[in-house]
Amino acid sequence: GENVEQHPSTLSVQEGDSAVIKCTYSDSASNYFPWYKQELGKGPQLIIDIRSNVGEKKDQRIAVTLNKTAKHFSLHITETQPEDSAVYFCAASNTGRRALTFGSGTRLQVQP
Amino acid sequence: EAGVTQFPSHSVIEKGQTVTLRCDPISGHDNLYWYRRVMGKEIKFLLHFVKESKQDESGMPNNRFLAERTGGTYSTLKVQPAELEDSGVYFCASSPEQGAGTEAFFGQGTRLTVV
Repeated sequence: GENVEQHPSTLSVQEGDSAVIKCTYSDSASNYFPWYKQELGKGPQLIIDIRSNVGEKKDQRIAVTLNKTAKHFSLHITETQPEDSAVYFCAASNTGRRALTFGSGTRLQVQP
Repeated sequence: EAGVTQFPSHSVIEKGQTVTLRCDPISGHDNLYWYRRVMGKEIKFLLHFVKESKQDESGMPNNRFLAERTGGTYSTLKVQPAELEDSGVYFCASSPEQGAGTEAFFGQGTRLTVV
């Protein structure tokens, strides 16, 4: 089955800096890669996703890149703000098995 | 529009007792998923309903866990008897479409503590 690894487990940046979180996956059949943000006491919330026919996607300060050959994808947050502090999860799924396989999460702390 | 709601938000039970978690998906969402996060590790898939049918239950850890979705609306996840290792946060998610690449909307989770 699919295995998703996520790094780093914790990340501390200064406000205004960029943050990068990286994930690798094992199943070449995976074709959907969402990123979720989980704030304290809340459930995971989708912030951006990318499909395997696209190499990069941007939404304001957030971008995701996908390298299908190397089986890795990354989340980039620019101009970080204190409200970006949360746990971020990457995930993967495919057409045949729609359940998400998650990475272990990255706790991002943005220092004001 | 109401989101995915889960009850209770917290539950503390003794080993050997029974607990039932409930999930109300977004209205009209045929797909309902259960996941759990144990001890700060990754969020792991438990099972997937399409309407009232179990599409994929490969993630269910053992026969102490029973999930139902009668009528294809809300779902329950029963743990009987509960063990210490069942402690964690149980999430429910729903999505409207069958195809891959559809956003899954998560509830706030139920934090289960077995003592």
